[in-house]
Amino acid sequence: RKEVEQDPGPFNVPEGATVAFNCTYSNSASQSFFWYRQDCRKEPKLLMSVYSSGNEDGRFTAQLNRASQYISLLIRDSKLSDSATYLCVVNRQAGTALIFGKGTTLSVSS
Amino acid sequence: NAGVTQTPKFQVLKTGQSMTLQCAQDMNHEYMSWYRQDPGMGLRLIHYSVGAGITDQGEVPNGYNVSRSTTEDFPLRLLSAAPSQTSVYFCASRDQGDAYGYTFGSGTRLTVV
Repeated sequence: RKEVEQDPGPFNVPEGATVAFNCTYSNSASQSFFWYRQDCRKEPKLLMSVYSSGNEDGRFTAQLNRASQYISLLIRDSKLSDSATYLCVVNRQAGTALIFGKGTTLSVSS
Repeated sequence: NAGVTQTPKFQVLKTGQSMTLQCAQDMNHEYMSWYRQDPGMGLRLIHYSVGAGITDQGEVPNGYNVSRSTTEDFPLRLLSAAPSQTSVYFCASRDQGDAYGYTFGSGTRLTVV
C-alpha cells in the first residue's frame, strides 16, 4: 500500500463548480501535511499547508482528520485556471523528506 | 533571490554514461531532496539531506549517489545511466521547521538512450 493515496481522477468539472479531493495516509506518526499544485511539465508549487483545525485560503479549504488519517481539499467556484494536478503531501516525521501522493488531475471547462 | 536552481534543464545520455545533476539554493535551507517523476508514478524520493554532511536514502536510491558538502549545493550523481532512469528530476529545499513546504527547482528532463 502506498504511504499516501489519492482519488484517482481525473475530475472534469464546469466553471463555477465545487470539487473535493480526498487523500489518506498510512503512517500515523506523520506530522505535517500539504497540498501542492502542479501544472503540466512544471515543478510542483505549494498550495497550502493543512492543519487539524482546518484552514481556508480564498476559494480553497483544507481539512485534516488525524483519527481517520484523512486529508481533503475543497475548491469552490472553480476557475479555468484551477486546471492542474493536485498533490497530497505528508511529512512522516521531523528530519525526513516529504512523501507525495500520485496526484489528482482537475480539468475545468467553460 | 534565485530560489532553487537546477542544471541542466535537458540532458540526453547514452546507456552506461555517468553525469551529475546540479542543484543549488540560496535560501539557507537545511533540508534538500531529490525526486524523480515518471508518468503515473507521482514524485518518488531518491535521496534527501537534513544538513551539510548528512544524507539519507529515499524510496528509489539505487543507481544514484548524493553528497552535501555545503548548505547550498546538493548534486545528484548517476553512476552508470540506464534507460530506466529516463525521467524528470526535481530538486527541492525547505526550511527546518516542519510546517514549511518545499520549494522546487524547475526540473531536469533526462533521457537515457
